[in-house]
Amino acid sequence: QVPLVESGGGVVQPGRSLRLSCAASGFTFSSYGMHWVRQAPGKGLEWVAVIWYDGNNKYYADSVKGRFTISRDNSKNTLYLQMNSLRAEDTAIYYCAKDHSTFGDSYFDYWGQGALVTVSS
Amino acid sequence: SYELTQPLSVSVALGQTARITCGGSNIGGKDVHWSQQRPGQAPVLVIYRDSNRPSGIPERFSGSNSGNTATLTISRAQAGDEADYYCQVWDSSTVVFGGGTKLTVL
Repeated sequence: QVPLVESGGGVVQPGRSLRLSCAASGFTFSSYGMHWVRQAPGKGLEWVAVIWYDGNNKYYADSVKGRFTISRDNSKNTLYLQMNSLRAEDTAIYYCAKDHSTFGDSYFDYWGQGALVTVSS
Repeated sequence: SYELTQPLSVSVALGQTARITCGGSNIGGKDVHWSQQRPGQAPVLVIYRDSNRPSGIPERFSGSNSGNTATLTISRAQAGDEADYYCQVWDSSTVVFGGGTKLTVL
C-alpha cells in the first residue's frame, strides 16, 4: 500500500483561505508527480492541479487558476494545496493522488481517502 | 478543451458482461485510464494505458481503445462491481475525466 493521508479540511467562509496537506509514505515521494482531484457532493471527479516531481512545473484547472496553488516539500514527503478566495462551488472532497510518472502526465496509481472542504457562511 | 463522454448509467445482470464506453475525439490516439469508485470510498485504478490491469484487479476487468471510443468491459459481473466508473486522459497539460458511469448489477 501507498498511504496518502490528507488533512486540513473543514468549514470556511466564502472569500477566506484554507491549506490542505497530503502526507505520503511508502514510496520515493520526490520521484513522482502529484495531483489534487476534487469531488463535489453527488458529482463526478474534477481534476484540480498537478505538480512535477521537483516542483518546477505546475498546471491548474481553469476553475481554480489564480486562486489555488499547489506545492510540495520533498524533504517532508508532503503535498500542499493553498486555496484562496474560496467560493461555495469549491465545496468538495479533495483527494491527493500519486501519478505513475515523474511529470504527472500518466495515471493515478494511488489515491488518498480525501479531505472534506465546506465553503459556507 | 478536450471532452470525454460517458453514459450516465449502465445496468448488467449478475454474471453477465457490462461494457462502459468513453467517447472523445480521436481518443484512440491517447492513453485511457479507468478508475472505480464505490460509494463512500476513494477511487481505485482498475485499467491503465487502455488495457492494462494493476496488480490485484481481477482478470474480469479489461479495456480497449480505438477510434473515438474507449471501452471498459467487466465480465461475469458481481454485486461488488456496483460502483461509479471514470475514464481519464491527459491532454494539453491537464487531466480530463469523463463524467462517470454508474454501474448497477441486477
